[in-house]
Amino acid sequence: AQSVSQHNHHVILSEAASLELGCNYSYGGTVNLFWYVQYPGQHLQLLLKYFSGDPLVKGIKGFEAEFIKSKFSFNLRKPSVQWSDTAEYFCAVNAYSGGGADGLTFGKGTHLIIQP
Amino acid sequence: KAGVTQTPRYLIKTRGQQVTLSCSPISGHRSVSWYQQTPGQGLQFLFEYFSETQRNKGNFPGRFSGRQFSNSRSEMNVSTLELGDSALYLCASSSQGATNEKLFFGSGTQLSVL
Repeated sequence: AQSVSQHNHHVILSEAASLELGCNYSYGGTVNLFWYVQYPGQHLQLLLKYFSGDPLVKGIKGFEAEFIKSKFSFNLRKPSVQWSDTAEYFCAVNAYSGGGADGLTFGKGTHLIIQP
Repeated sequence: KAGVTQTPRYLIKTRGQQVTLSCSPISGHRSVSWYQQTPGQGLQFLFEYFSETQRNKGNFPGRFSGRQFSNSRSEMNVSTLELGDSALYLCASSSQGATNEKLFFGSGTQLSVL
């Protein structure tokens, strides 16, 4: 079974700082990769996703993530964070087994706080 | 377009009881997935229904069951509740499933088992 590990449970940054949230997964086969975000008081929503092709994917609000297959990683980045980026960030993997795709496996989340 | 609607928003039950949670997906979406969210375990996949059929199932005991109706609305049932079942239960919908497209999540049902 696949698993997802997010390196940091809590991250505190100042506005304009650069952000990188780590995500590693354990599964040797074909995967789809996602980052979801939950802003305070809002639903979980998709930030970006990777299925195939260019390993550098761009999402909403200036976020991007790079899929490095050899490292089983899908780290989330943003060059300059804003106070409004304060949220909980979840990395997720959808692995393909013999019978097709399984449900999403989520990491435990990273709580990001941006200080003005 | 209305989003994913989950009812009720909050529930308090006692051990041994059973509970039914409801989810109405976005209009036109045929896939409904259920997740359990707890502080310790994070988000864990329960099951997915597509066109009234369970397509995928996570590693939860048989006390957790679900079904989907012809209008794509879904219900989740937990029987013989345990204290450890206290959690936020999230429903998510998509037109085809979680394999290659984004999920739209509801606000969840917060279940407390006393």
